[in-house]
Amino acid sequence: DAGVIQSPRHEVTEMGQEVTLRCKPISGHDYLFWYRQTMMRGLELLIYFNNNVPIDDSGMPEDRFSAKMPNASFSTLKIQPSEPRDSAVYFCASSLTLREGTDTQYFGPGTRLTVL
Amino acid sequence: GQNIDQPTEMTATEGAIVQINCTYQTSGFNGLFWYQQHAGEAPTFLSYNVLDGLEEKGRFSSFLSRSKGYSYLLLKELQMKDSASYLCAALDSNYQLIWGAGTKLIIKP
Repeated sequence: DAGVIQSPRHEVTEMGQEVTLRCKPISGHDYLFWYRQTMMRGLELLIYFNNNVPIDDSGMPEDRFSAKMPNASFSTLKIQPSEPRDSAVYFCASSLTLREGTDTQYFGPGTRLTVL
Repeated sequence: GQNIDQPTEMTATEGAIVQINCTYQTSGFNGLFWYQQHAGEAPTFLSYNVLDGLEEKGRFSSFLSRSKGYSYLLLKELQMKDSASYLCAALDSNYQLIWGAGTKLIIKP
C-alpha cells in the first residue's frame, strides 16, 4: 500500500484566499483524522471521520474551516478565507479501527501551509 | 482537563542510553502511544502500552505505570539517526488520542 497520501505538499497563498488540502487514506481504514501542527501548539486534532461520517469536529478552530469525506478514499480540508495564523503543517492520518488501542494511526507526509 | 507533560528538549551522546518521561491526566485511559517524528516528516508509530510494565522492541523500550499516570521511552545504543522529536499520546475513554507537545532529542557525537 502507498500509505496515506496528501496533496499538495506545500502551499503558499495570500490572506483571504481559499485553500483546499486533500487526503487519500490507506485502503480499508475506517477512520480518518485531520491534524494541525505548529511549534507553539504542537499536534492538534481538528476533526475525525468514521466510515465517511464526521464524528468529532470540536477541534476545528472556527467556521472558516470545513472538512468533507465524500467517499472512503478521499477527504478535503478547506480554509476559507485563509489567515496568516493558519500557517502550519496539516497532517492527515488513518487507522483501521479506533477502539483497538493497538491499531495505530498512520500519518501522511503533511501539507506545509504558509499564508502571507 | 486532559493533559500530557513531557520535557521540551533533551541531549544525549551517541552510544549512550536516554529515558524520555511522560506523565498524563486523561478522562479514562485506554493506553499510551509513543511516536517518533523527524524534522520535516510525519509522526511514525513506535510503541503502545496498555498494561503496566515494560515493552521491549529492539533498542527501544516503553514503560507504563497506570497508577502513577506515568510512562517512559528508553532508547539504548543511541545513534545519530535517533535525533528526532518523540511524542507521547494517551488514549482517553472516548478512544481519542491526547497528544503531548513532544520532546526534541539531540544526539551528540
